[in-house]
Amino acid sequence: DAGITQSPRHKVTETGTPVTLRCHQTENHRYMYWYRQDPGHGLRLIHYSYGVKDTDKGEVSDGYSVSRSKTEDFLLTLESATSSQTSVYFCAIGDRGQAGELFFGEGSRLTVL
Amino acid sequence: GQQLNQSPQSMFIQEGEDVSMNCTSSSIFNTWLWYKQDPGEGPVLLIALYKAGELTSNGRLTAQFGITRKDSFLNISASIPSDVGIYFCAGPDRGSTLGRLYFGRGTQLTVWP
Repeated sequence: DAGITQSPRHKVTETGTPVTLRCHQTENHRYMYWYRQDPGHGLRLIHYSYGVKDTDKGEVSDGYSVSRSKTEDFLLTLESATSSQTSVYFCAIGDRGQAGELFFGEGSRLTVL
Repeated sequence: GQQLNQSPQSMFIQEGEDVSMNCTSSSIFNTWLWYKQDPGEGPVLLIALYKAGELTSNGRLTAQFGITRKDSFLNISASIPSDVGIYFCAGPDRGSTLGRLYFGRGTQLTVWP
């Protein structure tokens, strides 16, 4: 299994509070991704990174920001959480970009009350 | 972003039956990927296809990259209970050279013993 760890695995928070999810990898892969998974929507890309300090938006980036200050860590921040951001968040890593062979973490379940 | 249309949305089959699912896009893809997600886990890559017309097998799984490059098919032969899960197709955003990868909404497979 790829060395990828997400934290926290579960979090309950209140509307309006900031939340940060962390993705840590030990594989030295260049690419890192954040997806959210919701029933009926599959996996939707939030943000991704193609190198340290290099990030780009995905299809559902509103309300989210990311940072990657070192190769192994990719942080996803919800500045002011809303109930619509209740979801399961998956981090993924890869070393081939568009060739698309990604390894996923186990997910972080976020509930915003 | 790219839209990947997966069908069927769900399947309920008897153990031992064969399964077919497909993924279509209005855009041409250079790569098609098939992932499986077990309950409570992150998705795992099953098969990667890189060439139009390519037919690739992985045990009881067979996937094909459509000649038009706008579709792909996944077949599972002689299904078993552990085939239960969500199957996703995925492909890269051709408008991005930076590794953006999109997923279909998934096919939920249930196998009855």
